[in-house]
Amino acid sequence: NAGVTQTPKFQVLKTGQSMTLQCAQDMNHNSMYWYRQDPGMGLRLIYYSASEGTTDKGEVPNGYNVSRLNKREFSLRLESAAPSQTSVYFCASSGQNIYAGELFFGEGSRLTVL
Amino acid sequence: TQLLEQSPQFLSIQEGENLTVYCNSSSVFSSLQWYRQEPGEGPVLLVTVVTGGEVKKLKRLTFQFGDARKDSSLHITAAQPGDTGLYLCAGVPGTYKYIFGTGTRLKVLA
Repeated sequence: NAGVTQTPKFQVLKTGQSMTLQCAQDMNHNSMYWYRQDPGMGLRLIYYSASEGTTDKGEVPNGYNVSRLNKREFSLRLESAAPSQTSVYFCASSGQNIYAGELFFGEGSRLTVL
Repeated sequence: TQLLEQSPQFLSIQEGENLTVYCNSSSVFSSLQWYRQEPGEGPVLLVTVVTGGEVKKLKRLTFQFGDARKDSSLHITAAQPGDTGLYLCAGVPGTYKYIFGTGTRLKVLA
């Protein structure tokens, strides 16, 4: 039972390089999310997709783009990486549409930008 | 802008002690959740509270949602080393957005 799978788990980039973080869920959930986690900051929402075909900005969207490829997959792209984007990135999904359903998280992707 | 402030930020206690973690906001939430996160893993849901004044108990953990639905608390009775982790509250303001608090890192010493 995979749940939410993120790849890669670790990545080191140089300033200005681009990369895409991949996320897939096998729970038939409608909503998917990308968060970043920094020390003392909890989790901050980057982008979310309430349902297939829609995406919306969260608290910290600058420097990122997302694609909801299909119901299962939600990718996060860094077009020109900056040291400020060094963080641990978490993908999450939720199946409920009205009240807050449980968020299921992946194991995280640790990104370092030099 | 971080809408949810948690306190304390760090807590180190002896096994058997009681503790309370607070989650405060100036915004109203339709519901509030608590998650626990262990190193190298994603957060895992502990509880969801949806009614102002609601109290939920999960073994030694007691969760309360404020009457005005702007704040919440987590109380742990007789803490154990297995309770060690990062505790995160998350508010849902009525949309699909889940806004997380700043986190409380708990260490319980044997």
